[in-house]
Amino acid sequence: DAGITQSPRHKVTETGTPVTLRCHQTENHRYMYWYRQDPGHGLRLIHYSYGVKDTDKGEVSDGYSVSRSKTEDFLLTLESATSSQTSVYFCAISDVDGTDTQYFGPGTRLTVL
Amino acid sequence: GESVGLHLPTLSVQEGDNSIINCAYSNSASDYFIWYKQESGKGPQFIIDIRSNMDKRQGQRVTVLLNKTVKHLSLQIAATQPGDSAVYFCAENSAGTYKYIFGTGTRLKVLA
Repeated sequence: DAGITQSPRHKVTETGTPVTLRCHQTENHRYMYWYRQDPGHGLRLIHYSYGVKDTDKGEVSDGYSVSRSKTEDFLLTLESATSSQTSVYFCAISDVDGTDTQYFGPGTRLTVL
Repeated sequence: GESVGLHLPTLSVQEGDNSIINCAYSNSASDYFIWYKQESGKGPQFIIDIRSNMDKRQGQRVTVLLNKTVKHLSLQIAATQPGDSAVYFCAENSAGTYKYIFGTGTRLKVLA
C-alpha cells in the first residue's frame, strides 16, 4: 500500500462544530486530494492540492476548506459540520499530475449528529 | 456497514470461474482509465490501468479491455477467488485535468 495515513479513522461530532481531518503521506508525492464517498455516488472531489500552499476546489467544496503547509500533510476542515457532511472521506495522492494513478488512504468515517 | 452503496449491481460467480465486470464511461475525451477494488471498510486499491492508445492490458489474473467506440471498459478476473469479493469501480481521466470521474461500482460475490 502507498504510505498514506488518515486520522482520525472514525469521528462522531455534533452539528455546528468544526472538524479537521488529516492526511499524511510518506511518498513525497506532489498531488493530494480529498474525496467523499456516499451511497449511490461515485467518489466526489472536495479539494485538491498541486503543491505546498497550492490548492483548488473540486466539485463539492462548499462547507469545506483545506490547507497544505508541508508536502506530506493535507488537512480538510469542515468549518461548521452539518448532517449532510456525514460521509466517508478519502485522501488520495499522485506523483506526476492528474493523469497519473491515484492511490488512496484508508478513509475516515465521519458522523455528524 | 459498507460505505460504497447499498444497492449496487451485484455479480455472483462461483469460485474458480472467470468474472467480467463492466463499466460505461462518460467522457469521450477521457484517455486514462483505472480499475479499483474496494473491500469493506477500506480505501480503494489500484488494480490495473490502461491508456487510450491501447485496447487491452493484462496483469496478474486480471485483464482490462477498452472499447473507445462505445465508451466501454471491462475488467476480467481469471479463476476468481474468495479474496476477490469486493466492490470494483472504474475511474476515467482526461489529459491535463486533475478531475477523475468515478463509477459507483459493482459488487462481486464469490460463491464457494
